[in-house]
Amino acid sequence: AQSVTQLDSQVPVFEEAPVELRCNYSSSVSVYLFWYVQYPNQGLQLLLKYLSGSTLVKGINGFEAEFNKSQTSFHLRKPSVHISDTAEYFCAVVNQAGTALIFGKGTTLSVSS
Amino acid sequence: DVKVTQSSRYLVKRTGEKVFLECVQDMDHENMFWYRQDPGLGLRLIYFSYDVKMKEKGDIPEGYSVSREKKERFSLILESASTNQTSMYLCASSHRDPGGPPLHFGNGTRLTVT
Repeated sequence: AQSVTQLDSQVPVFEEAPVELRCNYSSSVSVYLFWYVQYPNQGLQLLLKYLSGSTLVKGINGFEAEFNKSQTSFHLRKPSVHISDTAEYFCAVVNQAGTALIFGKGTTLSVSS
Repeated sequence: DVKVTQSSRYLVKRTGEKVFLECVQDMDHENMFWYRQDPGLGLRLIYFSYDVKMKEKGDIPEGYSVSREKKERFSLILESASTNQTSMYLCASSHRDPGGPPLHFGNGTRLTVT
């Protein structure tokens, strides 16, 4: 069965510092990977997705992620974070049947000045 | 812009009550989903539906049922609410996309069972 592991439950950083949120996946078939963000008191919204093609995927708000098949990873990065990036971030993979998303446990990014 | 609307933002119910959580989407999406979100556990799939009157169990269906009588509406039912069902419930919808279904989420219903 597909699964994702988010390696850090909390990541505190200072404003304008770079950040990496780590995600590893397990899959035996084609992989479709996603990062979602949840701001306080809101639903989730899509940051970026990898379906095929270039392994470097660019998303909204300056985020990008790199698909690494050999390391089964899909880490999310941003070169310089803002206070407004404080949120919970979820990595997700499509289930084996291709019918639903399986989410990781989330990483809380806290950006302070 | 896709809108997924959950009828209640906050609900407080008593143990043993029958609880209905309603979700409506306005983009003619085929797929609809119910997840529950708990701290440290992320999102877990309860049920999903890929067509009217069709439903599939997710990872944690016990204690829940669903209803999809119209394409735009997907209801989650707690037959007899229990305190361990206190949680944030998120509804989502998507097109039936074989390349992977980007989900559009509602803002959630925070249910407290006392």
